[in-house]
Amino acid sequence: QKEVEQNSGPLSVPEGAIASLNCTYSDRGSQSFFWYRQYSGKSPELIMFIYSNGDKEDGRFTAQLNKASQYVSLLIRDSQPSDSATYLCAVKVDSWGKLQFGAGTQVVVTP
Amino acid sequence: ETGVTQTPRHLVMGMTNKKSLKCEQHLGHNAMYWYKQSAKKPLELMFVYSLEERVENNSVPSRFSPECPNSSHLFLHLHTLQPEDSALYLCASSQDRVSYTEAFFGQGTRLTVV
Repeated sequence: QKEVEQNSGPLSVPEGAIASLNCTYSDRGSQSFFWYRQYSGKSPELIMFIYSNGDKEDGRFTAQLNKASQYVSLLIRDSQPSDSATYLCAVKVDSWGKLQFGAGTQVVVTP
Repeated sequence: ETGVTQTPRHLVMGMTNKKSLKCEQHLGHNAMYWYKQSAKKPLELMFVYSLEERVENNSVPSRFSPECPNSSHLFLHLHTLQPEDSALYLCASSQDRVSYTEAFFGQGTRLTVV
C-alpha cells in the first residue's frame, strides 16, 4: 500500500513567521509531488509542485524535495491569516496521473 | 466557463433515493477522477477514467456507479446509499500519460445521506 504521511496539526504559527510542513511517502519510484491548499468547506487548490531534488520557490512558498529520504516539505514565509487552511501533500503514483494524498496538515496563523 | 464544474454543490438524499452528481471540465484534459473526502481522512480515490475508459475502480461499493460519456463529462450515479456515505465528493481532471501533471479539482458536492 503506497502511503503519504503528514502531521495532522494544528500547526499554530504567529503572523509573519515561517510555517514548515512536512510530508513523507513510501513509494520510492514516485516522480511528482504536489502541495494543495484547502480552505474549510472548499476544494483543494494547487499551490506548488516539484519534480527535482532541491528547493523550488514561488513567492512566499518554497517546496523542498529529497528523494533519497522520501521527504517533501513546504515552507510558507511571512505567514498571513489568509494562509490558515489545511495543506495536502500529494504524490503522483502512476502514469495515469493518479495522486495519492496525505491526510493534510492544518495551519492556523495567529495575528 | 473554465476549469472543473460540479453540480449540485449540496445534496441531501434519503437512503432509498437515486441521484446523480455531475462534473464537467473545460481544460481539454483526457483523464477524470472521482474522490471522496470524509472528515479527518485523506482524499480517497474512487474512480479513474482515461479517454472515457474506466481504468481504476478502488473497491468502491456498487451503490456508486460512474459514467463517462465523453472526455469532458463525468457522472456519479448514487442509489441506496448509507449514512456513512455522507462526505464531500470531488471531481478532478488532468492530462494523463504525461510524466508531470497536476490535477485540478471542482468545488465538490457536499452529500448528506439521511
